[in-house]
Amino acid sequence: GENVEQHPSTLSVQEGDSAVIKCTYSDSASNYFPWYKQELGKGPQLIIDIRSNVGEKKDQRIAVTLNKTAKHFSLHITETQPEDSAVYFCAALSGSARQLTFGSGTQLTVLP
Amino acid sequence: GAGVSQSPSNKVTEKGKDVELRCDPISGHTALYWYRQSLGQGLEFLIYFQGNSAPDKSGLPSDRFSAERTGGSVSTLTIQRTQQEDSAVYLCASSLGFDLAKNIQYFGAGTRLSVL
Repeated sequence: GENVEQHPSTLSVQEGDSAVIKCTYSDSASNYFPWYKQELGKGPQLIIDIRSNVGEKKDQRIAVTLNKTAKHFSLHITETQPEDSAVYFCAALSGSARQLTFGSGTQLTVLP
Repeated sequence: GAGVSQSPSNKVTEKGKDVELRCDPISGHTALYWYRQSLGQGLEFLIYFQGNSAPDKSGLPSDRFSAERTGGSVSTLTIQRTQQEDSAVYLCASSLGFDLAKNIQYFGAGTRLSVL
């Protein structure tokens, strides 16, 4: 089955700096890669996703890149703000699966 | 309601007792998922329901765990003879369709289970 590794587990940045979270996956058949943001006391919420036929996708201050050859994908947050502080999860969906495989999460703290 | 609703939000129980966790998905969503989130860990898939099809129980960690979905809507996750290692946040999610590459998965706020 699919295995997703996520790094780092914790990340602290100064407000205004950029943050990068990286994930690797094992199943070359995986074709969909969403990112979720989980604020304290809430369930995860989809913030951006990318499909295997695309190398990069942007939505305002967040972007995701995908390298299918190396089987890794990354989340980039620019001009970080205190409200970006949360736990971020990457996930992968393999072609035959009906459920996502999640990474272990990254606790992002944006320091004012 | 507008989102996925889970109850209770917190549950404290004694080792050996049975517990029931409830999930009310978004109206009209045919797919429903249960996950377990242990401290500092990612989301561990437990079980998946899709319409009237047989559920995918491949993620249930032991036969003490079971779930049902009545009438294609509300779901209940039951843990029998709870153990301390069952302590975690149990998350429920629903999606309009089963293809997660085309249908967003919406999560509830979870039930925090503490087994003493």
